[in-house]
Amino acid sequence: AQKVTQAQTEISVVEKEDVTLDCVYETRDTTYYLFWYKQPPSGELVFLIRRNSFDEQNEISGRYSWNFQKSTSSFNFTITASQVVDSAVYFCALSGSSNTGKLIFGQGTTLQVKP
Amino acid sequence: KAGVTQTPRYLIKTRGQQVTLSCSPISGHRSVSWYQQTPGQGLQFLFEYFSETQRNKGNFPGRFSGRQFSNSRSEMNVSTLELGDSALYLCASARGSYTDTQYFGPGTRLTVL
Repeated sequence: AQKVTQAQTEISVVEKEDVTLDCVYETRDTTYYLFWYKQPPSGELVFLIRRNSFDEQNEISGRYSWNFQKSTSSFNFTITASQVVDSAVYFCALSGSSNTGKLIFGQGTTLQVKP
Repeated sequence: KAGVTQTPRYLIKTRGQQVTLSCSPISGHRSVSWYQQTPGQGLQFLFEYFSETQRNKGNFPGRFSGRQFSNSRSEMNVSTLELGDSALYLCASARGSYTDTQYFGPGTRLTVL
C-alpha cells in the first residue's frame, strides 16, 4: 500500500523565520516520484517540485529547499526567511509505477506566516 | 501555454440531482485525473483517463463516473447527489506516465443542499 503522512497539521511562524514541513511516505514500488504542491486560499494546487526515487540530491530553489532521504522515507520541505505570501496549505504527494495517474496525498500542512 | 481549465467554477445543487463537471487539459497532455477534496477526507483520487480510456479508479461509488473525449477533454458526472458530495473537485492533466507531473486546474466547488 502507498501512504503519505504529514504529521504537522498547522504551523504558525513569524515572517523571516525558517520553517520545515515534514513528509513521510510508504510504498512498495521501487520506482516512485514525490511531489510538493502549494494550495493558496484560491484553491488551485500549484506544483512546486518533483523528485524521483533514484535522485537523493537535495534541491534549492530560491528560498525553498527540499531534503529527500530514502533511508528514512522522508521528503521534507524548508522555507527560508518565510514571507506572508507563503501562507497556504502544502501537500506532499506520491506516485508510483503500480498506480499510474494517481497521486497519493498527505493530509496537508497549513502554514500561517504572520507579519 | 494555457493551463488546465475547469467549468463551472461553482455549482449549487440539491440532493438527488445530477451534475456534470468539465476539465480541459493542457495542450498535448493526454491524461486527466480527478480528485475530490473535503475537509474531512482530504484529497482523494476519483479516476484517471488516458486516451479516452479509464486507466485507474479510486474507491468511490458508481454514482461517480467520467469520460474523456478524443481531444483529451474530460467530464465527470455525479448522479443522485448526496450532501456528502459537497466538495472541491479538482482535475489534473499530465502527459501520461506516472513519472509526469500533474498540473491542476482551479477546481469546481460543488455545494449540495
